[in-house]
Amino acid sequence: DIVMTQSPDSLAVSLGERATINCKSSQSVLYSSNNKNYLAWYQQKPGQPPKLLIYWASTRESEVPDRFSGSGSGTDFTLTISSLQAEDVAVYYCQQYFDPLRTFGQGTKVEIK
Amino acid sequence: QVQLQESGPGLVKPSQTLSLTCTVSGGSISSGSYYWSWIRQPAGKGLEWIGRIYTSGSTNYNPSLKSRVTISVDTSNNQFSLKLSSVTAADTAVYYCARADCSDGTCYQFDYWGQGTLVTVSS
Repeated sequence: DIVMTQSPDSLAVSLGERATINCKSSQSVLYSSNNKNYLAWYQQKPGQPPKLLIYWASTRESEVPDRFSGSGSGTDFTLTISSLQAEDVAVYYCQQYFDPLRTFGQGTKVEIK
Repeated sequence: QVQLQESGPGLVKPSQTLSLTCTVSGGSISSGSYYWSWIRQPAGKGLEWIGRIYTSGSTNYNPSLKSRVTISVDTSNNQFSLKLSSVTAADTAVYYCARADCSDGTCYQFDYWGQGTLVTVSS
């Protein structure tokens, strides 16, 4: 299994400030034949299903605000919210789709300071 | 716009079989190249992938649940289903169905999710 580990487990950020979430995979999720990282980020608000934000580690899903960005390669990835808004309060998950056994990180809770 | 909706009993007794159905609307479950998954989330915890079924009907399961899981598809009703046998309290969770796009035998991120349904295992 590819184990996905996120850090921190939670963070509190002031409105308008930057939030940074890290995700580390136990093995590389970079597919050498196409040079793509098989890594997605999801946002989950209370009582709602996860919502896809980012795929291929850095490609924003349509209609996702551009304050959300993804970066990284291989085993280390980052989700950045450049200017935190009140509606961004949620739990964020990374997920790898490199291995047939799909696995998620444990989640990072983002709150307003 | 594709929509997924889970349905099934909200309460299951220990040792019995949990059965859920996901109804897909806004598109045919058998058109295109997709796989259809079940994912669960215990209260206050993270996401666990249970398994998937491809448009072709082939399946893959999480090894940790494989001995108890069956996923099937009913193309005539645009649905796919989950059966989880011999349930215990540890199977209490919100169960989601989700879709992933596939191309050339490779499948990707989950782009559509159902709203989820809470299943409680209790006598």
